[in-house]
Amino acid sequence: QSALTQPASVSGSPGQSITISCTGTIIGNYNLVSWYQHHPGKAPKLMIYENNKWPSGVSNRFSGSKSGDTASLTISGLQGEDEADYYCCSYGGVSTLVFGGGTKLTVL
Amino acid sequence: QLQLQESGPGLVRPSETLSLICTVSGGSISTRTYYWDWIRQSPGKGLEWIGSLYNSVNSYYNPSLKSRVTMSVDTSKNQFSLNLSSVTAADTAVYYCGRHQYGVWSVDYWGQGALVTVSS
Repeated sequence: QSALTQPASVSGSPGQSITISCTGTIIGNYNLVSWYQHHPGKAPKLMIYENNKWPSGVSNRFSGSKSGDTASLTISGLQGEDEADYYCCSYGGVSTLVFGGGTKLTVL
Repeated sequence: QLQLQESGPGLVRPSETLSLICTVSGGSISTRTYYWDWIRQSPGKGLEWIGSLYNSVNSYYNPSLKSRVTMSVDTSKNQFSLNLSSVTAADTAVYYCGRHQYGVWSVDYWGQGALVTVSS
């Protein structure tokens, strides 16, 4: 499977905005990137689907975008509860899914 | 509200087969709209898609695991299962079951996860 590359870590102060990138050729091939928030010991939570859509109940402080082979997740108005691991995921063709390596967000 | 719950042994010996079941409640596993997924997270690593079942008979697997993975559905019990053969310590992970919608390709429901340790 093709790889999706994310930065290992990002950080920001409360109230600030941060952006997490996700790069891979399959992102450019398909318009189907999702983002997940994962707190240790809990189930991952879908935050963005189809590049930039919000599931019901997800705060609009989270937004997604895509340009070429790179997708991005932006979190605005950082809050302490946003501290978690974040994963991108893309359709990989032939009914497969590919996850990125994950990014650890630290709220300073 | 759809709920998924993983169950199975928490300890598996090396070279044996890991077997997990995901029980679905609050919705039918027979619905043709959805794929049913297995995803894992090894200690200190990221999420890894293992495979998906669609329409009870079509299975799709991660190429890196394909030779060792079998997934199946029991519609009478509203459950689907994962078998991973010839396990090693590298298969130690939290295993999640989940669901994604055909054509949307995002996992919108997840189980809480089951830790499986491979050790003698």
